[in-house]
Amino acid sequence: SQTIHQWPATLVQPVGSPLSLECTVEGTSNPNLYWYRQAAGRGLQLLFYSVGIGQISSEVPQNLSASRPQDRQFILSSKKLLLSDSGFYLCAWSNYAQGDYGYTFGSGTRLTVV
Amino acid sequence: AQTVTQSQPEMSVQEAETVTLSCTYDTSESDYYLFWYKQPPSRQMILVIRQEAYKQQNATENRFSVNFQKAAKSFSLKISDSQLGDAAMYFCAYRSQSNFGNEKLTFGTGTRLTIIP
Repeated sequence: SQTIHQWPATLVQPVGSPLSLECTVEGTSNPNLYWYRQAAGRGLQLLFYSVGIGQISSEVPQNLSASRPQDRQFILSSKKLLLSDSGFYLCAWSNYAQGDYGYTFGSGTRLTVV
Repeated sequence: AQTVTQSQPEMSVQEAETVTLSCTYDTSESDYYLFWYKQPPSRQMILVIRQEAYKQQNATENRFSVNFQKAAKSFSLKISDSQLGDAAMYFCAYRSQSNFGNEKLTFGTGTRLTIIP
């Protein structure tokens, strides 16, 4: 069965510090991968998506970046965090080729920038 | 671009009763998918139900069912026999049928459902 792992679950970082959030998927090959952010009490905003290794599309210009070094690994990074980067970050995957046209989400990372 | 609107920020229902959450969307596409996701206090996003636009029959999953009105671009979620565990934020979402790898889910702003014991 497919599973998705996301870590860390909680993170408190000072302004200006770097960020690295990691997401890995098991049990599927060549998935589409996504990073979403959810501000407190609000909906989900798509940040990045990837259809393959090294292929990243950005939806919202900001000081965040994403990378996909391996087929089932998706990383969200920042060189210098801003207060506005605080939020709940969710990784998700889908695999249309396998008939999975919905998303499966990770358990999320709560990021607080102080 | 597609948009998804949930006009009910909050809803409440008595335990064991039935509640309907509303969702409308805007699209120029004829083929697409619609979803309802549940986000409990743990904040894990859980798929509740999905509907393919080409199917006329409304999707059903146990106590959850949808009323899909394609012409009206409406996709409401009905929860029957509400249980305390149904308390959560519910998000409606739209996905293009595109299979070129860039299909993306567009979410509504959510409806917070409270179950009254």
